[in-house]
Amino acid sequence: AQSVTQPDIHITVSEGASLELRCNYSYGATPYLFWYVQSPGQGLQLLLKYFSGDTLVQGIKGFEAEFKRSQSSFNLRKPSVHWSDAAEYFCAVALDAGNNRKLIWGLGTSLAVNP
Amino acid sequence: NAGVTQTPKFQVLKTGQSMTLQCAQDMNHEYMSWYRQDPGMGLRLIHYSVGAGITDQGEVPNGYNVSRSTTEDFPLRLLSAAPSQTSVYFCASNYRGLNYGYTFGSGTRLTVV
Repeated sequence: AQSVTQPDIHITVSEGASLELRCNYSYGATPYLFWYVQSPGQGLQLLLKYFSGDTLVQGIKGFEAEFKRSQSSFNLRKPSVHWSDAAEYFCAVALDAGNNRKLIWGLGTSLAVNP
Repeated sequence: NAGVTQTPKFQVLKTGQSMTLQCAQDMNHEYMSWYRQDPGMGLRLIHYSVGAGITDQGEVPNGYNVSRSTTEDFPLRLLSAAPSQTSVYFCASNYRGLNYGYTFGSGTRLTVV
């Protein structure tokens, strides 16, 4: 079955430290890949997406993600974390960019930032 | 530009009551969706619409109805609330396809007692 896995349920980093959040998917073909962020009490906001082309994509708020086909991964990174980055992060994957029903969500990674 | 507006933000219902969660967007998005978010379950698609007059079921449609009479509005109706419907509900919209990602509302936290 198609699935998206975010192996880390909860991560704590110190402010200023680097961050990497993992996302793995199980699909036969290259999917469309997304990262969303959810601040406490808020809806989700799109951070970045990968459809094709350069496997390193830049997003908002200083985030980037790298698609690695060989590892079926789309990990999210940030070189220096700010306290305001504390939030829930969701990876999502779709095989069909034209069909909302086929968007599969990971369960999320909760990020805490120590001052 | 208001984006996606959901009302109410909080609601407590008694088992068996009905209610409608409102969702409106002002971006002329064709697609609108309703998700529920539960701890350990992630986001699950309830219903979605690809345009006015067209709706379809998602992953967990039982106990919910939707309609799309206009491009802007996509209300979600709970017919007879059950404790299992206690959740946070999100409405999301986007242009045709996923190319631009979703725009989410800020959610409705529903408790059924």
